[in-house]
Amino acid sequence: EAGVVQSPRYKIIEKKQPVAFWCNPISGHNTLYWYRQNLGQGPELLIRYENEEAVDDSQLPKDRFSAERLKGVDSTLKIQPAELGDSAVYLCASSLGLGGLHNEQFFGPGTRLTVL
Amino acid sequence: GEDVEQSLFLSVREGDSSVINCTYTDSSSTYLYWYKQEPGAGLQLLTYIFSNMDMKQDQRLTVLLNKKDKHLSLRIADTQTGDSAIYFCAEYTGGFKTIFGAGTRLFVKA
Repeated sequence: EAGVVQSPRYKIIEKKQPVAFWCNPISGHNTLYWYRQNLGQGPELLIRYENEEAVDDSQLPKDRFSAERLKGVDSTLKIQPAELGDSAVYLCASSLGLGGLHNEQFFGPGTRLTVL
Repeated sequence: GEDVEQSLFLSVREGDSSVINCTYTDSSSTYLYWYKQEPGAGLQLLTYIFSNMDMKQDQRLTVLLNKKDKHLSLRIADTQTGDSAIYFCAEYTGGFKTIFGAGTRLFVKA
């Protein structure tokens, strides 16, 4: 079974340019997460989807970040315009979504973004 | 607020035991996790413990939970060079909210 797929794996852009990341979760996983991982830090949640609904986007900088999960499967995360401080690894994860029970998340390899 | 803290580095010799420690703040945590991240890869769940347990053993891995002190540890027996990675402690308080520590980088010397 394929794991969480992300693309691209690496992206280098100049500041003020737009950038988009794509994620395909594990088949059947209703819950999808986007995390940002700064160098030397743990992942920090940006947004969580239940199917196609964004149910927690409290940490998403909405002035420049947007996300969508059309049809409740694939998801894209966009930054426009990018700033130097956006350089990080953007991780996508998915889980079955069983409510309050043990919630194992499966992570993709991430997209390493460098903003010059 | 919730916070998870870990030491940043640990260096051990191959064959020795490794102990990675973690403290957390949210007493309502239901599950506590250990994830492993190898270079260029995403996080992978290693093991987890339910909050009403004190210990869990899984092959070379032993998880100890001191709920009173909000302290979690991961012991890796007979550490191998392939165990070199970053280990993240995480607490889950329900509602799909998982808080990750900054990770402990384990170096295994041959």
